[in-house]
Amino acid sequence: NAGVTQTPKFQVLKTGQSMTLQCAQDMNHEYMSWYRQDPGMGLRLIHYSVGAGITDQGEVPNGYNVSRSTTEDFPLRLLSAAPSQTSVYFCASRVTGALGEQYFGPGTRLTVT
Amino acid sequence: RKEVEQDPGPFNVPEGATVAFNCTYSNSASQSFFWYRQDCRKEPKLLMSVYSSGNEDGRFTAQLNRASQYISLLIRDSKLSDSATYLCVVNTDMEYGNKLVFGAGTILRVKS
Repeated sequence: NAGVTQTPKFQVLKTGQSMTLQCAQDMNHEYMSWYRQDPGMGLRLIHYSVGAGITDQGEVPNGYNVSRSTTEDFPLRLLSAAPSQTSVYFCASRVTGALGEQYFGPGTRLTVT
Repeated sequence: RKEVEQDPGPFNVPEGATVAFNCTYSNSASQSFFWYRQDCRKEPKLLMSVYSSGNEDGRFTAQLNRASQYISLLIRDSKLSDSATYLCVVNTDMEYGNKLVFGAGTILRVKS
């Protein structure tokens, strides 16, 4: 069981470039989400999805797009990278419902110069 | 005011010490509560859920005080391996579980 996988682990972008962070889970979880983690700020929710074809915005969605065509995959797209998007990005999945454990991927460290 | 607030620490304690962390939350409708542990440069992992009656898992005890809107984590007999950041997590969406709010974390350093 791979759990939640993310690629790449590290990425350096120049301002204005676009890219897609990949996330996949093999636990058949309906709920998936993307967070960014910055020093002193904790994890902040970017976008989430409660099932294939359904996505919604979290706390900090600007500059990011998501789609959910399958239960397994939940890619995050940076449309035009900015230095303010330098962060560590975590993808997570869980069983829908308030009590389920959330499983995180290993993270992607993104630097935008 | 942040929805979930934690003392950032760091808490520097010797091996064998007992240490306690508190976390306050602002949304009185919050229904489920968790402590996650995050090691340096790693992903967060669930340490324990927090139940209304309080719960214990080995050396770890979690308690919830709804009236004062805080949760706590007590670690007894600290080990070097307990060194990590402890994240307080509050879920305010009881129906779908869509609203997990994370505190910024409390750093614990256990020294020999």
